Amino acid sequence: QQPVQSPQAVILREGEDAVINCSSSKALYSVHWYRQKHGEAPVFLMILLKGGEQKGHDKISASFNEKKQQSSLYLTASQLSYSGTYFCGTEIKTGRRALTFGSGTRLQVQP
Amino acid sequence: DVKVTQSSRYLVKRTGEKVFLECVQDMDHENMFWYRQDPGLGLRLIYFSYDVKMKEKGDIPEGYSVSREKKERFSLILESASTNQTSMYLCASSLFADSGEQYFGPGTRLTVT
Repeated sequence: QQPVQSPQAVILREGEDAVINCSSSKALYSVHWYRQKHGEAPVFLMILLKGGEQKGHDKISASFNEKKQQSSLYLTASQLSYSGTYFCGTEIKTGRRALTFGSGTRLQVQP
Repeated sequence: DVKVTQSSRYLVKRTGEKVFLECVQDMDHENMFWYRQDPGLGLRLIYFSYDVKMKEKGDIPEGYSVSREKKERFSLILESASTNQTSMYLCASSLFADSGEQYFGPGTRLTVT
């Protein structure tokens, strides 16, 4: 079952912040985040493996709330280069050895 | 740098044809995946393989089959192409099946007419 991402789309001005949420109906083992720019392949951002884990990558960070079965991606002081579609991929506990991706959040950063 | 290549960027086939999509990775990864990407639906897993000659169904395997005879190559086969299989197909590979970073190929945009 696909994780649910919200919002589906967001438009920002440079320098603004954004939060993208990813929630699952099943207990999660890990959450992965990818970004896909228009016309390109998805590119890995980060993996969160433990409940409560937080990671950062430049001004992009993420948290994983194992209890709530959800993860959030935080984009701080957004840059034009952050534009693209963000996907979360989840691996459920006692599940198969592969990810299930959400439907994506389209992020557009304007000057 | 990990490289995942796909045989074609664009492909046009007729309904009923047998279609082969090829994917090759050069990093000796154990695991390979085939996804299809459609607007508003994200990346949906078709099949994956965690070893040579091993395969597992993903979420939408109907109408597809796969072949992995060599570690570096994973093929997706559409036995009899249909118009509803028009889509972007993405191949990926990873060192670890579950918690490993996936590296994606550039994709093949398949149109079935």
